[in-house]
Amino acid sequence: KAGVTQTPRYLIKTRGQQVTLSCSPISGHRSVSWYQQTPGQGLQFLFEYFSETQRNKGNFPGRFSGRQFSNSRSEMNVSTLELGDSALYLCASSGPGQGPYEQYFGPGTRLTVT
Amino acid sequence: GQNIDQPTEMTATEGAIVQINCTYQTSGFNGLFWYQQHAGEAPTFLSYNVLDGLEEKGRFSSFLSRSKGYSYLLLKELQMKDSASYLCALPTTDSWGKLQFGAGTQVVVTP
Repeated sequence: KAGVTQTPRYLIKTRGQQVTLSCSPISGHRSVSWYQQTPGQGLQFLFEYFSETQRNKGNFPGRFSGRQFSNSRSEMNVSTLELGDSALYLCASSGPGQGPYEQYFGPGTRLTVT
Repeated sequence: GQNIDQPTEMTATEGAIVQINCTYQTSGFNGLFWYQQHAGEAPTFLSYNVLDGLEEKGRFSSFLSRSKGYSYLLLKELQMKDSASYLCALPTTDSWGKLQFGAGTQVVVTP
């Protein structure tokens, strides 16, 4: 069974630009969660999608948004990038139902904002 | 809300045993996860405890005491490849997909 995939793996953007990151969950998983990881703040929850609905949102500004498609693939978007958005963005999938399930993480997208 | 505390770093010798503690405070308990993360890689699942007691899985064991808000991960017969960050995480009561992670404990295994 293929694991969670994320594209792109690396990204360099300039302040003020926007970025879209993509995540393909493990086949059959319906929940997709996004996390931001930085050396200073550790792993922080961004949001979770289940069956195309946002089920939870973390404490991040509205510049961070996401969506999930009918095939469970998910995208997250960050608009008006700031230097502090430089981080590793991890996507995790779990499922197929409501839980309890462990989350399977993708390799992450490393975003650098200059 | 939730609060999770773990030591920042631990060093141990190859072949030894290391115990990584995690204390937590939460308004609603829904189990506790342990994840391992090697540098530059994604976290991988190690264990899930929801009932009190010790669960053994090969060289790794995890313990939970709900009344004390305490868990530990025990790594036995340490190997060099066990050098990694170990993360304690709590799911919220409304969703398994929302994990709050501790800051992680960096374990350094020396020859």
